[in-house]
Amino acid sequence: GNSVTQMEGPVTLSEEAFLTINCTYTATGYPSLFWYVQYPGEGLQLLLKATKADDKGSNKGFEATYRKETTSFHLEKGSVQVSDSAVYFCALSRGNKFYFGSGTKLNVKP
Amino acid sequence: EAGVAQSPRYKIIEKRQSVAFWCNPISGHATLYWYQQILGQGPKLLIQFQNNGVVDDSQLPKDRFSAERLKGVDSTLKIQPAKLEDSAVYLCASSLDRGGGAPLHFGNGTRLTVT
Repeated sequence: GNSVTQMEGPVTLSEEAFLTINCTYTATGYPSLFWYVQYPGEGLQLLLKATKADDKGSNKGFEATYRKETTSFHLEKGSVQVSDSAVYFCALSRGNKFYFGSGTKLNVKP
Repeated sequence: EAGVAQSPRYKIIEKRQSVAFWCNPISGHATLYWYQQILGQGPKLLIQFQNNGVVDDSQLPKDRFSAERLKGVDSTLKIQPAKLEDSAVYLCASSLDRGGGAPLHFGNGTRLTVT
């Protein structure tokens, strides 16, 4: 079947620290992979995506590389800001069906 | 482009009452999804439409939840009668559905509180 596993939170970092949020997946065939971010009181917003192996998605200083050999799509940012505090969801799609991880809450302290 | 519109933003009802949520997807998006998000959890798919046909409603509690998508555009989700465990955020999303990894676009959701 298709599923996504991501590291549990909360993750608490100081401003300008390096961020990694781990995400691994199980899928039949060749899925597309996504990271979404959810700020309090809002819906999920697409942060970045990758549609094939070795693709790197990037946006707003965040990056993630589609690793087929390790079935992973880890989210990284070199220097987090207080404004990055949110919940991050890893997701995969097969056709037009989406599968979400349980989310990782990030708290960034000044 | 305009985003996915949902209303209302908040709703408080008593158990056993009924409630309805409305969603207007991004223009041209053929696929529409309703998700339930309980606090602290990821979104759970309730129902998926392709144009005005149902693709997947396997996790929709059909004894109390219903949804329709008239003319393949707007959609409504109804709960009747509501239970305490229905308290959640109801998210609508839409997608171009052209394959190749088209992403979901979400609305801001309706936060339902059942007392």
